[in-house]
Amino acid sequence: DVKVTQSSRYLVKRTGEKVFLECVQDMDHENMFWYRQDPGLGLRLIYFSYDVKMKEKGDIPEGYSVSREKKERFSLILESASTNQTSMYLCASSSYRTRAYEQYFGPGTRLTVT
Amino acid sequence: SQQGEEDPQALSIQEGENATMNCSYKTSINNLQWYRQNSGRGLVHLILIRSNEREKHSGRLRVTLDTSKKSSSLLITASRAADTASYFCATGYQGAQKLVFGQGTRLTINP
Repeated sequence: DVKVTQSSRYLVKRTGEKVFLECVQDMDHENMFWYRQDPGLGLRLIYFSYDVKMKEKGDIPEGYSVSREKKERFSLILESASTNQTSMYLCASSSYRTRAYEQYFGPGTRLTVT
Repeated sequence: SQQGEEDPQALSIQEGENATMNCSYKTSINNLQWYRQNSGRGLVHLILIRSNEREKHSGRLRVTLDTSKKSSSLLITASRAADTASYFCATGYQGAQKLVFGQGTRLTINP
């Protein structure tokens, strides 16, 4: 079974702090994604990586950056957390080998910024 | 936005009844996928239907795809309390590694 893990289930940070969310997958997937999920807005793509050190902006990249130094790990960074970044963050991975790019999700990190 | 729309936004039925959810999208697709999300958790892939297919089954799940209407439906038969979750459709595009997710249908199964 594909396993995608996220570093924390719940996180509370203060405004202005630098926040790191980490995601690790164990299936040698090429693609990794970071989404945020808010009530009524569905899943919105923040950033996407299709290879080590490669990244592509999603629909809402402002206020976020990412890092992918190793194939299995994809980090989301909030440079200076703000209250409007309070949300559920979901990481996912997929592979071209499946042709349809089904995504496998981690359990999510619920981030609260106070 | 390419984001799909799901209908209804919320659905509440009695255990044992069938549940039907619909998804519409805007541009030609390569495939359409359905995912389930239990409260506060990540999404789980349920079933995939390709653009050249019209219907697929997996256990109690039945998915149909009408590319002329740009719509899909997910039918869950003989619902159980454990089916209570949010269900999302996601569309895949030729050569694209990203999926576009709908906003989801929240399904509640009442015992």
